[in-house]
Amino acid sequence: DAGITQSPRYKITETGRQVTLMCHQTWSHSYMFWYRQDLGHGLRLIYYSAAADITDKGEVPDGYVVSRSKTENFPLTLESATRSQTSVYFCASSGAGAGGYTFGSGTRLTVV
Amino acid sequence: QKEVEQNSGPLSVPEGAIASLNCTYSDRGSQSFFWYRQYSGKSPELIMSIYSNGDKEDGRFTAQLNKASQYVSLLIRDSQPSDSATYLCAVNHPYNQGGKLIFGQGTELSVKP
Repeated sequence: DAGITQSPRYKITETGRQVTLMCHQTWSHSYMFWYRQDLGHGLRLIYYSAAADITDKGEVPDGYVVSRSKTENFPLTLESATRSQTSVYFCASSGAGAGGYTFGSGTRLTVV
Repeated sequence: QKEVEQNSGPLSVPEGAIASLNCTYSDRGSQSFFWYRQYSGKSPELIMSIYSNGDKEDGRFTAQLNKASQYVSLLIRDSQPSDSATYLCAVNHPYNQGGKLIFGQGTELSVKP
């Protein structure tokens, strides 16, 4: 299916565990982004990528790791999950530097 | 000062009225402006983009941009209950660093039947 897909949709994990959130897009968009959305904070950029093998930190990168070995995939890993990482995570992609994003459907992550 | 500011609302309007959503941004280097709609429990959906001063119309939606005043707005004519959502204003990062957008915290709109 064309578009941008995130998996899983929901995830519950324990404190200290490693968890990976997946993001896949079929448009060959150059830019990909990871945001978290929390009440009172809005959307905050975690990491972004301008192309395969090019990633950079956003506003709130601590505790997260990303990789982008292929243009279409941009996984986000929480190395050792903490309760403060309970959030809704959105992946987005953009085909041009000045264009708007298309968001995935999100992953609701709960860390217990 | 926040980089992109919106009134959090909620903004309540009766069905059929015009809803006016406002957004200000802090950096004059920004060149691209977007409005997203986000229904509760869903992801943001791009509904309007605007790059030049003036108005841009798309159906019931009109985006307005005034770069001198660093102000962008969204008007929704003939508001419907289905327009009830949170509206996010987004501005490209000054000098377009890596295609990043800066989001406001959103304005919650409620359209009453």
